[in-house]
Amino acid sequence: DQQVKQNSPSLSVQEGRISILNCDYTNSMFDYFLWYKKYPAEGPTFLISISSIKDKNEDGRFTVFLNKSAKHLSLHIVPSQPGDSAVYFCAASLDNYGQNFVFGPGTRLSVLP
Amino acid sequence: GAVVSQHPSWVICKSGTSVKIECRSLDFQATTMFWYRQFPKQSLMLMATSNEGSKATYEQGVEKDKFLINHASLTLSTLTVTSAHPEDSSFYICSATRRKTNTEAFFGQGTRLTVV
Repeated sequence: DQQVKQNSPSLSVQEGRISILNCDYTNSMFDYFLWYKKYPAEGPTFLISISSIKDKNEDGRFTVFLNKSAKHLSLHIVPSQPGDSAVYFCAASLDNYGQNFVFGPGTRLSVLP
Repeated sequence: GAVVSQHPSWVICKSGTSVKIECRSLDFQATTMFWYRQFPKQSLMLMATSNEGSKATYEQGVEKDKFLINHASLTLSTLTVTSAHPEDSSFYICSATRRKTNTEAFFGQGTRLTVV
């Protein structure tokens, strides 16, 4: 039973538009969430995180929104660029140390020029 | 989905001893495995990339003699923290990519190492 779900395995977006990647979780005890980005043949790299005490965190073109009541978070990329094409992983943990680090299956984003 | 099993999930060891962490791909052949370290309130830091049958590629600043990585088979990679010290206490996590595809990465559950 997946505790962290990314129901869209892939997403295609036109360059300049907004990309929205979604993530749902089942364990209400999770209180720290992260997004990772992965290019082919490379390891995942950290993108942005959010603590459960917040509902939004923004870093440049990337914004993560957290809806605790719905157990849902999303990553917004605006504007999308071709270099953003990668696989994005949502992760959740019980604390920001990552004692129980659970990753979603990933969503492949393709940004079309 | 593909499963990566990391063992142990937590370990406490005495200063000066060595600790081995295993990362296994349970139902697929992992061409490449990655080892990460996470400090409190920080993101994962890539330590090294491990390809089956060859020497690991270490990131700048990571001591090769301190963190020994072995990737002897397509389903197993090990990270050995040698002569551990309290500053090595951290959360270590591995991920693996499947043979013939480089776009998917599967993560282990991580290992919390505490050196006392």
